[in-house]
Amino acid sequence: QVQLQESGPGLVKPSETLSLTCTVSGGSVSSGSYYWSWIRQPPGKGLEWIGYIYYSGSTNYNPSLKSRVTISVDTSKNQFSLKLSSVTAADTAVYYCARDGVRLDPWGQGTLVTVSS
Amino acid sequence: QSVLTQPPSASGTPGQRVTISCSGSSSNIGSNTVNWYQQLPGTAPKLLIYRNNQRPSGVPDRFSGSKSGTSASLAISGLQSEDEADYYCAAWDDSLNGPVFGGGTKLTVL
Repeated sequence: QVQLQESGPGLVKPSETLSLTCTVSGGSVSSGSYYWSWIRQPPGKGLEWIGYIYYSGSTNYNPSLKSRVTISVDTSKNQFSLKLSSVTAADTAVYYCARDGVRLDPWGQGTLVTVSS
Repeated sequence: QSVLTQPPSASGTPGQRVTISCSGSSSNIGSNTVNWYQQLPGTAPKLLIYRNNQRPSGVPDRFSGSKSGTSASLAISGLQSEDEADYYCAAWDDSLNGPVFGGGTKLTVL
């Protein structure tokens, strides 16, 4: 079955760029059937969609983050990645990757990213 | 402020039936299907219901979903202690061209 695993630094300084990678196993990011998404959850709060990418490279981002977000895919490594620039404390959250756009299944276990100097 | 509106909390005793509501608009629930996610404490969300009322393999039939107009509901019958979790509704939003979530409902089993 498909499994997703997030990886990346757990601590990022304010104004720097947050970079995370999601490694997909048991399936292929090149599958034409699915989008691949990033979602985040600030501590004690609800879920926020960040954006998604299709295997072809086409993307769509949440307008509230669009100016700072880049999602890319590396089909050779079966991974997709998230970059969020100019981070502030408000970007502190658990970041999840997931398969598909709204029928999100499965999810990665999540990784906590703290923005602090 | 979440696009979809859910009650922040719900509760019930073991064996009871509880429902959680989710209200949206014509650009999301009104024109697209609704999914529900269960988030157990300290874990990632898990797909619980998709396409309004379909259960993924492995989800007990105690969980059911429905949709009417711009609102949806999740019902849990025969409540069990392990159902204590946060529940989120989600739907595609045609204006956003992406998914929108409810703020989540914390279910407590008394």
